Amino acid sequence: DSGVTQTPKHLITATGQRVTLRCSPRSGDLSVYWYQQSLDQGLQFLIQYYNGEERAKGNILERFSAQQFPDLHSELNLSSLELGDSALYFCASSLQVGTGGETQYFGPGTRLLVL
Amino acid sequence: GQQVMQIPQYQHVQEGEDFTTYCNSSTTLSNIQWYKQRPGGHPVFLIQLVKSGEVKKQKRLTFQFGEAKKNSSLHITATQTTDVGTYFCAGPRNTDKLIFGTGTRLQVFP
Repeated sequence: DSGVTQTPKHLITATGQRVTLRCSPRSGDLSVYWYQQSLDQGLQFLIQYYNGEERAKGNILERFSAQQFPDLHSELNLSSLELGDSALYFCASSLQVGTGGETQYFGPGTRLLVL
Repeated sequence: GQQVMQIPQYQHVQEGEDFTTYCNSSTTLSNIQWYKQRPGGHPVFLIQLVKSGEVKKQKRLTFQFGEAKKNSSLHITATQTTDVGTYFCAGPRNTDKLIFGTGTRLQVFP
């Protein structure tokens, strides 16, 4: 158990819909990262927040957005969903700003299926 | 942009055989991290290497960081069925985020 929690575990929805994925980082961690992992694919970095502010952006679509709240939990919003958005979405956290040298602790993931 | 490639993409071995995965970056890395993802699971941190030429061992696992700090390897001696999973290397891009390698999926047959 990494200490990072994600809800829901599974999500099934239809094309065109909007969903929200939630992540609570490990106690004391200030940085939250979101990754997308499609079937048999690697980890695609989406976005990072540090202490409530966006820190780094990766290959995140304009239909996707995220935020980190004062209590440090984060939400990833996916809208106008397409079939290709079906994937595992992982949240990870690290202690500080994530200068590339920090270990990231991953949550169990949310499996999204768009029908 | 910065890329981190791993080979092989897949490896099937008989239990007891050795296994090696190689990680290559297009740019010099300040450090390299290795993660393991079991089937149906999430990535779990294994180790971090920082120094040029560094070698670290964890039981049957040996990690190396290349002299030029652009490549790394993970070697597993005498694989066991518990070693099954996908092994990812990851290196920092600029200073803000980790770029994960493409991963090597290891299957061990008993």
